[in-house]
Amino acid sequence: DAKTTQPTSMDCAEGRAANLPCNHSTISGNEYVYWYRQIHSQGPQYIIHGLKNNETNEMASLIITEDRKSSTLILPHATLRDTAVYYCIVGYPHNAGNMLTFGGGTRLMVKP
Amino acid sequence: KAGVTQTPRYLIKTRGQQVTLSCSPISGHRSVSWYQQTPGQGLQFLFEYFSETQRNKGNFPGRFSGRQFSNSRSEMNVSTLELGDSALYLCASSLVAAVMYNEQFFGPGTRLTVL
Repeated sequence: DAKTTQPTSMDCAEGRAANLPCNHSTISGNEYVYWYRQIHSQGPQYIIHGLKNNETNEMASLIITEDRKSSTLILPHATLRDTAVYYCIVGYPHNAGNMLTFGGGTRLMVKP
Repeated sequence: KAGVTQTPRYLIKTRGQQVTLSCSPISGHRSVSWYQQTPGQGLQFLFEYFSETQRNKGNFPGRFSGRQFSNSRSEMNVSTLELGDSALYLCASSLVAAVMYNEQFFGPGTRLTVL
């Protein structure tokens, strides 16, 4: 399976955009990029996923580079409630298995 | 729509005992996956069930087992508990569809402490 590399921690000012990078240089052609976050003492929460094109939903935007070797999760207007560990994962769609392997993630601290 | 529910939320057991954890997926979701999360090992995949059949299994000993019922509810069982089994056990459900993507929705977890 492809592995990901993320910064250990990041700070962001409340109301500003939070840009969380992820490197996945060994991603294969059929693997998707998924982002989850885990707020302390809660289960992981799905945020967004993508294959090649940039994606946007009500929570965030996902920018995937053309070579697919890296991506960036963007929280457009970070709030204090966005403080969490953010996991970038690459994996196959469900019909090839539903396994997700979470690495260390990025601990995002949103400050007032 | 109600989220994934797990019971119990907290559990304390002693070494050698067995434990059964329960997970109710989101209504309409047919796939249930189980994960173990510890500070040292992070989140590790245990197994996945779909339509009452185990579809994938992670690298855990046979003491860890599970099953899924016809209503998609799932249980996992750990026998002969060891101290190292202390962890947060997470259940995730997903809607199996024809399109080539998935989203997994996690429950709050069951925190198991083995003394």
